[in-house]
Amino acid sequence: AQSVTQLGSHVSVSEGALVLLRCNYSSSVPPYLFWYVQYPNQGLQLLLKYTSAATLVKGINGFEAEFKKSETSFHLTKPSAHMSDAAEYFCAVRLGYSSASKIIFGSGTRLSIRP
Amino acid sequence: DAGVIQSPRHEVTEMGQEVTLRCKPISGHNSLFWYRQTMMRGLELLIYFNNNVPIDDSGMPEDRFSAKMPNASFSTLKIQPSEPRDSAVYFCASSFRGGNTEAFFGQGTRLTVV
Repeated sequence: AQSVTQLGSHVSVSEGALVLLRCNYSSSVPPYLFWYVQYPNQGLQLLLKYTSAATLVKGINGFEAEFKKSETSFHLTKPSAHMSDAAEYFCAVRLGYSSASKIIFGSGTRLSIRP
Repeated sequence: DAGVIQSPRHEVTEMGQEVTLRCKPISGHNSLFWYRQTMMRGLELLIYFNNNVPIDDSGMPEDRFSAKMPNASFSTLKIQPSEPRDSAVYFCASSFRGGNTEAFFGQGTRLTVV
C-alpha cells in the first residue's frame, strides 16, 4: 500500500539546535513529495516540494529536505531552530502525475522549541 | 486570489442535526480534496474530485457523509445525522495539476457536535 510514515509524533529541540523531522514513503509510482507546516488554528501551508530537479530541496523559513530514493526518505532539516518554528509538520505524497491523483499525508510531527 | 475559502469557520451543532460545510476552491483549480483532522487519526483524506467528478470516496467514514461538487467553484460536505464523534477540523484543498503540484488549503471548519 502507498503510504507516508513520519517517525516521532513530537520532537523537542533547543533554540539554535538542528531540527530533523523524519519522513519515509512507500509508493509504487515515482513519488511527488511535499512538506507542509501548520500553525495553531490555521490551515496547512507548503514548506517545500520535491521536483526531481535536485535531490536537495530548499524551502521557506530556512528549511530544506533531501530526497533519498535508496532509503525511500524525504527528511526535513533546519540548521538552527527558531522559536517561531514551533508548529506541526506534515509530510505528504502525491500518488501520480495526473491531476486526478490523490495526496495523502503522514500523521504529523509536532515541533517544540525550548528557549 | 483569495485562496481556498471555507465556511463556516466554526460550527457547533447538536447530535442528530444536519451539517453542511462549504468550500470555494481557487479559480482555475480542477482538483478538490476534503480532509478531516483529529488528534487520534491525524489528517485523513475523505474524498476528492477532479473536474467536478468524485474520483475516490473510500475515505468517507459512513453513509452519513456525502459530498458534492456541482460546479468548478463550489463544493459541499454534508453530515446527516451528525454525531459527537464527527467533531473535528475539516479542511478543503484544491490543486490545478498533478505530479509535483501542491494542494492549497483553506483555513478549515472546526465542527463540534454536542
